[in-house]
Parts: sequence; C-alpha cells; structure tokens
Amino acid sequence: EVQLVESGGGLVTPGGSLRLSCEGSGFTFSAYSISWVRQAPGKGLEWISSISSSSSYIHYADSVKGRFTISRDNAKNSLFLQVNSLRAEDTAVYYCARDRIGSASSFFFDYWGQGTLVVVSS
Amino acid sequence: DIVMTQSPEYLAVSLGERATINCKSSQSVFYSSHNKNYLAWYQQKPGQPPKLLFSWASTRETGVPERFSGSGSETDFTLTISSLQAEDVAVYYCQQYYSNSRVTFGPGTKVDIK
Repeated sequence: EVQLVESGGGLVTPGGSLRLSCEGSGFTFSAYSISWVRQAPGKGLEWISSISSSSSYIHYADSVKGRFTISRDNAKNSLFLQVNSLRAEDTAVYYCARDRIGSASSFFFDYWGQGTLVVVSS
Repeated sequence: DIVMTQSPEYLAVSLGERATINCKSSQSVFYSSHNKNYLAWYQQKPGQPPKLLFSWASTRETGVPERFSGSGSETDFTLTISSLQAEDVAVYYCQQYYSNSRVTFGPGTKVDIK
C-alpha cells in the first residue's frame, strides 16, 4: 500500500524556521517526483514546490521562493521542506503528494499524505 | 501563471440528482502535440487529503465510480456527478498542469445535499 507520512509541523513565531519531512512507503520512492502542496485553514490548495526523482529538477511557487528549500534522500525514502522566514500567511496544512506518472514529472498527484499543520503566530 | 476559476462556489443537489461543476482556465491547457488537456480533478472530503478523480480532463482514476465524469477542452471543463450520493459531499478542485512548474488549482466547489 502506498503511504506518505508527513511530520515536523508545529507552532512557530514569525521569522522562525521548521523542517518538514515526508516518508514514503509501499512504492519505489526514488522513481517518483514528489511535491509539497499546502492548504490554509478553510482555504483551497496551493502547490508550493516539486522535486524530480533524482533531484535534478526543482521548482518553487513565487510565494515561497527564496524562503523554502525542498530536498530528498532516496536512500531513506524521505522528502524534506526547509521552511525559513515564516510569515502568518504560511499557516497551513502541508501535504506531500506523489506524481501520478513515475517515469517523468507529471505535476498531478495520485497519493497524498495526511498533512502536517504549520501555525505561524506570535 | 494560469488562473483557474470554478463555478459555482457552492452547490446543493438532491440525492440522485445531477451535479455539474465548471472549471475555466485563463489560457488553453490543451497540448496539441500530445492531443491532451492538462487538467485534473480532485475530491476532498472534510479532514482528508485530496483524492485524484480525473487526469487529462476525462481519464477516470481506478476505483472512481462511473457516476463521475469529466469533460471539456482547452479552457472550459466540467465535472459531472450523474446521480449524487451522500458520500459525494465534498469540495471539488480542478488543477492545471500544462504549466508544469507553475501548477495551479481552482478555488474549489463545495457540493452538499439539498
């Protein structure tokens, strides 16, 4: 069974940092691009970053570029998101999501984790 | 960025009746060389992550009931639930992946029982 499990969220003050993690199981993690998608409370979905299977291609939304860094460790079936300079508007559930197509980045997502909540507040 | 809009924002339909959700993109998401529309639909139930229903505008994912259908091309797309069931209460999102380093979602349509 394909599973993605996020961790690392929490309460952080404005300007603070967190490192979010996503562990995959039940599939060949190293063969898939993975993305982070966030959802502010009561709001819609916002794609924020993607990383290709071998980390060769990395993309960010303008809203997080320069503040967030995506990375992965295929040996540990893990994806990371280093989030720095956090703002109130970064408050959201952060999901990791697997690309539907394994052979190339597709940018649509067939498996999602349950999410980890990041709250930015003083 | 390609802007996605959806209508209506909220839809209440009687059990067994048809529900129709519209999605519009600010530019075409049809890739002519592939003859495909780069458009996906997701269903999100309360407290759950999104679930992929359709890719390529009309390709149903395994396990998605046949009462769900996706249609449309270029800039105008529709998700139809032919006979609404109680378990279909959810928020539905469209997403374009034509601009694949600039993925964008629609704002969502909430479907409820009348």
